[in-house]
Amino acid sequence: DAMVIQNPRYQVTQFGKPVTLSCSQTLNHNVMYWYQQKSSQAPKLLFHYYDKDFNNEADTPDNFQSRRPNTSFCFLDIRSPGLGDAAMYLCATSSRTPDGLGNEQFFGPGTRLTVL
Amino acid sequence: QKEVEQNSGPLSVPEGAIASLNCTYSDRGSQSFFWYRQYSGKSPELIMSIYSNGDKEDGRFTAQLNKASQYVSLLIRDSQPSDSATYLCAGSNGGSNYKLTFGKGTLLTVNP
Repeated sequence: DAMVIQNPRYQVTQFGKPVTLSCSQTLNHNVMYWYQQKSSQAPKLLFHYYDKDFNNEADTPDNFQSRRPNTSFCFLDIRSPGLGDAAMYLCATSSRTPDGLGNEQFFGPGTRLTVL
Repeated sequence: QKEVEQNSGPLSVPEGAIASLNCTYSDRGSQSFFWYRQYSGKSPELIMSIYSNGDKEDGRFTAQLNKASQYVSLLIRDSQPSDSATYLCAGSNGGSNYKLTFGKGTLLTVNP
């Protein structure tokens, strides 16, 4: 089945120790997104790529970086995690539609990040 | 600033009842709307999308859109305990903007 896969599902790191989260998709979608979601809050968009065109949200901290080496993979790097970065990190994908409608986003299972 | 507001809940309904979830949006340019279901500790799952005024039905779910009133709703008929989750409303203004604006979600509990 076509899907969005995230690894690892659970990540524990120490304060200040870099982490990389990965996302892959078999949906052949050209748009990929990274969200941060904290408990009882809506997902917060960090970045999105349309093909290789990178779009950073204005309020995304510099501590967060992203790479998309090809259409199937996307990575989220957290250079120096702080306690406030503990959250669920969600990858999503969507496919551009000619009429601008649609844009259904499909989410992966998420990576739960714990910072000690 | 574009905003999507949801009835804050939590919402509690008995099994078999109709659950009604509501959402309003501020961006008149919004064209597409989505309802996601999110179980505790899990990722959001798309359950309905709607682009045109009126109703759209899919099984026990009906999405309603009223662009004049900037209002979107989701009705769940014959609610089941397995429907207990947080429901997220999201809107997009389409075009070259591929981003969704999410509401904060409504926690629904269906009591057996």
